[in-house]
Amino acid sequence: AQSVAQPEDQVNVAEGNPLTVKCTYSVSGNPYLFWYVQYPNRGLQFLLKYITGDNLVKGSYGFEAEFNKSQTSFHLKKPSALVSDSALYFCAVRDYGNNRLAFGKGNQVVVIP
Amino acid sequence: DAGVIQSPRHEVTEMGQEVTLRCKPISGHDYLFWYRQTMMRGLELLIYFNNNVPIDDSGMPEDRFSAKMPNASFSTLKIQPSEPRDSAVYFCASSLDLHRDRQYEQYFGPGTRLTVT
Repeated sequence: AQSVAQPEDQVNVAEGNPLTVKCTYSVSGNPYLFWYVQYPNRGLQFLLKYITGDNLVKGSYGFEAEFNKSQTSFHLKKPSALVSDSALYFCAVRDYGNNRLAFGKGNQVVVIP
Repeated sequence: DAGVIQSPRHEVTEMGQEVTLRCKPISGHDYLFWYRQTMMRGLELLIYFNNNVPIDDSGMPEDRFSAKMPNASFSTLKIQPSEPRDSAVYFCASSLDLHRDRQYEQYFGPGTRLTVT
């Protein structure tokens, strides 16, 4: 079964600094990879996805993620963090031919003014 | 589009009572998913439907939980009888046909926060 790991519980970063949220995955076939963000008392919002093509994908709110097949990673990045980026971030993976998404445990991002 | 709509947003009930959570997916979406989120277990998939038919209910914790989708615009998740350990946030999500439309992302509703005392 597919799975993802988000090794850090919380990521603290100063406003204006680069933000990285790590994710590694495990699947039996080609991975479909996603990042979602959850603000307090809200549902998950889709940020970006990797299905095929360029390893660097760009998404909403200035976020991007890099797919690295050899390292089975899909880290989320933002060049300059904003206080409003403080939220819970989830990585998810879907096996080709499988309609289930496996979510990581989530990373709390705290951007310090 | 209004997005995925869930009701109620908050539900407080006593142990043993029946609880019904409701979801209206995005119009035109073929898939509907029910998730549960807790601090201890994170986000868990309970069940999902394709064209109103339940496809995978292996995540449903026990027989006290049941889900239905009588038509393309409505689904319910029922817990009977409810227990304190069912306290969680329940999310509904929907998506287009995963292969036909090559749109694989799911869109989530705001969730229902359930508290069972």
